[in-house]
Amino acid sequence: EVQLLQSGAEVKKPGESLKISCEGSGYRFSGYWLGWVRQRPGKGLEWMAIISPSGSDTRYSPSFEGQVTISVDESLSTAFLQWRSLQASDSALYYCVRRLAVTASPIDFWGHGTLVTVSS
Amino acid sequence: QSALTQPRSLSGSPGQSVTISCTGTTSDVGRYNFVSWYQHHPGKVPKLLIFEVYKRPSGVPDRFSGSKSDNTASLTISGLQAEDEADYYCCSYAGTYTPYLFGTGTEVTVL
Repeated sequence: EVQLLQSGAEVKKPGESLKISCEGSGYRFSGYWLGWVRQRPGKGLEWMAIISPSGSDTRYSPSFEGQVTISVDESLSTAFLQWRSLQASDSALYYCVRRLAVTASPIDFWGHGTLVTVSS
Repeated sequence: QSALTQPRSLSGSPGQSVTISCTGTTSDVGRYNFVSWYQHHPGKVPKLLIFEVYKRPSGVPDRFSGSKSDNTASLTISGLQAEDEADYYCCSYAGTYTPYLFGTGTEVTVL
């Protein structure tokens, strides 16, 4: 069974750093890219970034480039999303997503989401 | 790049059809036949309904169909059912460095 197991909910203060994770299982990790999609409360889906299974290739949405860092540890079958300094506007549900390692493939599987709350 | 434009909400009675539009530009929807649609029930995980404009993954009922004309893609739900009440998002490939551009989302209500 395919699973994208995401790390648990986080409550942070503005200015703090954070790294959330997503472990893929039940499929050939090397055959899929992993990425992240944000959903703020009451808002729509926003694609943030995606990374190849080896980590050699990354893509960022212009809206998120420089704001977050995506990384992967292939030995752990795990992708990460990192912030150096959180802002209140980063409060959202973050979905880990998967897509086949073929150009223009659709996102075909979603994790259950990691809720991040940033509040002083 | 701005999000693709979808109507904020649509509604229909059981058995009717609804069509959700997704308007982009010549750089995304109009340029590539890589438009996908997702169904999202609040509190649940989004589900892929359509990919490459009109293709359905296995398990998706044929009541869901996709099409495209110029810069606008469409999702039609035929024979509307209560369980179709959800948010729907289109998503288009917009090039190597912007593989995913989501629409603004449409809330579908079954009356």
